[in-house]
Amino acid sequence: GAGVSQSPSNKVTEKGKDVELRCDPISGHTALYWYRQSLGQGLEFLIYFQGNSAPDKSGLPSDRFSAERTGGSVSTLTIQRTQQEDSAVYLCASSLEGGLTEAFFGQGTRLTVV
Amino acid sequence: LAKTTQPISMDSYEGQEVNITCSHNNIATNDYITWYQQFPSQGPRFIIQGYKTKVTNEVASLFIPADRKSSTLSLPRVSLSDTAVYYCLGFEGGGFKTIFGAGTRLFVKA
Repeated sequence: GAGVSQSPSNKVTEKGKDVELRCDPISGHTALYWYRQSLGQGLEFLIYFQGNSAPDKSGLPSDRFSAERTGGSVSTLTIQRTQQEDSAVYLCASSLEGGLTEAFFGQGTRLTVV
Repeated sequence: LAKTTQPISMDSYEGQEVNITCSHNNIATNDYITWYQQFPSQGPRFIIQGYKTKVTNEVASLFIPADRKSSTLSLPRVSLSDTAVYYCLGFEGGGFKTIFGAGTRLFVKA
């Protein structure tokens, strides 16, 4: 596609449910990033993929969070047993190479846990 | 831990030049300095990147002193549409775990 695509754009879920957020990066981009942004706050790094590998998972807030990337392309961020504090916008970005050099961000998924 | 420090907010008027300075004392030798812009309800957008001295593109200029411990983003003749949050990026772990600070909220007034 022309840009980074994220789905769904909005998700409302009940506390305790699992959710899956999807990111389609720009074709050919080897690096993929997930960030979280709470209302009025800066971006919080979650995880980075180089190809299908995630060299750094230390940003994931808890073991309820996991992410995978298949075929060096699509990535899924899964949050299990959602809590209200998980409510935020989840942003995905991709770049040709690592270091967030000229990365392109998607529009994000706004997650609301009620 | 790589960390960036920027002013929390700045106000300006249309037509003025705006300079936003970021300090990044722990930047690694091989890291580039990168700035992003974010409008409300949108993901960040790449503005400019440099390694040293000065870089200019159609949107902004970036000034980096020789010690590279800081950088200044210069926006010439801002307009109302430049109202946004501006982030300079810090790097950790060789540039893979990139850190966004709180950013600088620029408000351009008419």
